[in-house]
Amino acid sequence: SAVISQKPSRDICQRGTSLTIQCQVDSQVTMMFWYRQQPGQSLTLIATANQGSEATYESGFVIDKFPISRPNLTFSTLTVSNLSPEDSSIYLCSVDSSGNEQFFGPGTRLTVL
Amino acid sequence: GENVEQHPSTLSVQEGDSAVIKCTYSDSASNYFPWYKQELGKGPQLIIDIRSNVGEKKDQRIAVTLNKTAKHFSLHITETQPEDSAVYFCAASRGGYQKVTFGTGTKLQVIP
Repeated sequence: SAVISQKPSRDICQRGTSLTIQCQVDSQVTMMFWYRQQPGQSLTLIATANQGSEATYESGFVIDKFPISRPNLTFSTLTVSNLSPEDSSIYLCSVDSSGNEQFFGPGTRLTVL
Repeated sequence: GENVEQHPSTLSVQEGDSAVIKCTYSDSASNYFPWYKQELGKGPQLIIDIRSNVGEKKDQRIAVTLNKTAKHFSLHITETQPEDSAVYFCAASRGGYQKVTFGTGTKLQVIP
């Protein structure tokens, strides 16, 4: 298994600003994933982050809006840029640790005013 | 791409009764079907999964069934307990556990 922490756990931001979310894992992992969970809805994959390469974004998500860094095998950041109220969501990171299961972090609840 | 539908959206059962959540998927090439439990303030946690070469899988009070012909799969929880109260998500993938498409979620409430 993997223990995943995210910072911040929640934040309230003004529109037009940006928020950077950190994801820390207690072991080295190859793949890290970032998801968005809009209020009362399902999880949608934003991008896959591999160490040493550019993140791979899913349809509907672009690097300018959701830049991702993956500086090493235990850490990643997701930035949500130029915030609007529609960005209010829970953002979760997950990792592939055991080779056959995704483990999720606790999430970051973002509210944009 | 894959589309996963999940029913019901909410489910209330009495403690000790059984709960059943059903999902359908659209991509006939999907071969991996996990179920996740999400408690309040936490990320989803895998509780059981099934692959396309198996029709049923059971783990204590939890079981999952898969009908590939009809493209639907179900989660069965027997002898429900208050701690089973959570949001449950089904998911489907053709590429294994990594790129899964999630269903819309079922909020299960077990009434003591």
